[in-house]
Amino acid sequence: QVQLQESGPRLVKPSETLSLTCGVSGSSISSLYYCVWIRQSPGKGLEWIGSVYPSGDTYYNPSLESRLTISVDTSKTQLSLKMTSVTPADTAVYFCASRSVTMPHDSFDVWGQGTMVTVSP
Amino acid sequence: DIQMTQSPSSLSASVGDRVTITCRASQTISNYLHWYQQKPGRAPKLLIHSASNLHGGAPSRFSGSGSGTDFTLTISSLQPEDFATYSCQQSYSTPFTFGPGTKVEI
Repeated sequence: QVQLQESGPRLVKPSETLSLTCGVSGSSISSLYYCVWIRQSPGKGLEWIGSVYPSGDTYYNPSLESRLTISVDTSKTQLSLKMTSVTPADTAVYFCASRSVTMPHDSFDVWGQGTMVTVSP
Repeated sequence: DIQMTQSPSSLSASVGDRVTITCRASQTISNYLHWYQQKPGRAPKLLIHSASNLHGGAPSRFSGSGSGTDFTLTISSLQPEDFATYSCQQSYSTPFTFGPGTKVEI
């Protein structure tokens, strides 16, 4: 059973770059259809940030695309999220999740526990 | 972007009650609709995919229906562990979007 675990700084200053990684254990990313980053601002709904395939192909939310880089490392054991020029509006819990090969219609059946990132001076 | 709305935003119910939550898409999404359950401080868990298919491990008291723009999640007999927030998600087109959630409270 694949497991996902997010990690990274909990506090980022405005205008700086938010960098998170998601470790994949129990299997490699190559066994998954693809992985995603999703965030949830305090008291708000979920927001899809972007997707990355084992090949490295990416798809981003257009509302965030200009600030995003999502990638998979060559060992296929972790993925990363970089978001530049952050503001307090980027304060959220950041989740990585995955769609298994057997899941239809882009639903996400495996989730990390999430990591809270606060943007503040 | 496809906008997702849910109603109600919150509801109060008792153990044993039948609960229905509605999700509406701003345009037709066929059956590309999924439901998640989320408890405070935890990650969402997939309950139902493709509008009506129970995800492995989800209790059979959960069911989903609908197609096009209108969808429902039904809990046939609410259990103590079901008190949580339920969110819908469309995957018909990117950007994937989620509903704002429905909080089910005692």
